[in-house]
Amino acid sequence: DTAVSQTPKYLVTQMGNDKSIKCEQNLGHDTMYWYKQDSKKFLKIMFSYNNKELIINETVPNRFSPKSPDKAHLNLHINSLELGDSAVYFCASSPGTGSGNTIYFGEGSWLTVV
Amino acid sequence: AQSVAQPEDQVKVAEGNPLTVKCTYSVSGNPYLFWYVQYPNRGLQFLLKYITGDNLVKGSYGFEAEFNKSQTSFHLKKPSALVSDSALYFCAVRDPYGGGFKTIFGAGTRLFVKA
Repeated sequence: DTAVSQTPKYLVTQMGNDKSIKCEQNLGHDTMYWYKQDSKKFLKIMFSYNNKELIINETVPNRFSPKSPDKAHLNLHINSLELGDSAVYFCASSPGTGSGNTIYFGEGSWLTVV
Repeated sequence: AQSVAQPEDQVKVAEGNPLTVKCTYSVSGNPYLFWYVQYPNRGLQFLLKYITGDNLVKGSYGFEAEFNKSQTSFHLKKPSALVSDSALYFCAVRDPYGGGFKTIFGAGTRLFVKA
């Protein structure tokens, strides 16, 4: 069973479109994250939710909006896609917000905006 | 503010030789430190972590890391490299006192192991 699963794995779309990436974890974790990995492989936190409550909201454009319907799901919706949004987006989860918690990553969603 | 640095973009070693991937950190208090590995087109996988206790931490796939507080380092090591160890390695730090809920990742070091 996949612990953190995200769909779609690959997404090619045109500028200006709106798209969503879905994420689900079956680990029973309380905390979920969205990370963005750019073309240079640099990994940056975007958002984090703990028990459906937003706890990290980094400086990202308002076009990016996370939604957590329950603690096992964290979806990412992106409006008016731009070329610079092309990246790999990783969903992740951890047991809680404790500093010693290991983060478990999904396999990534490769977004290409053309 | 917490930060982490991986001074080498890439490390090349021959199979069978020992390998070291370097990491240094900066936090206001005692750090929690992690190593993750990313294989091509995959997500990051946890290797090991230091929270407290013994400075030498052993992890998955024969990797270990040594916490050195005076040098603020947490280098990843393996006694004998395998070709299959070739991947991108990320060091990460969490400041349990001043870092909020964030884990900060280094820029990554690409390891090449030649047969």
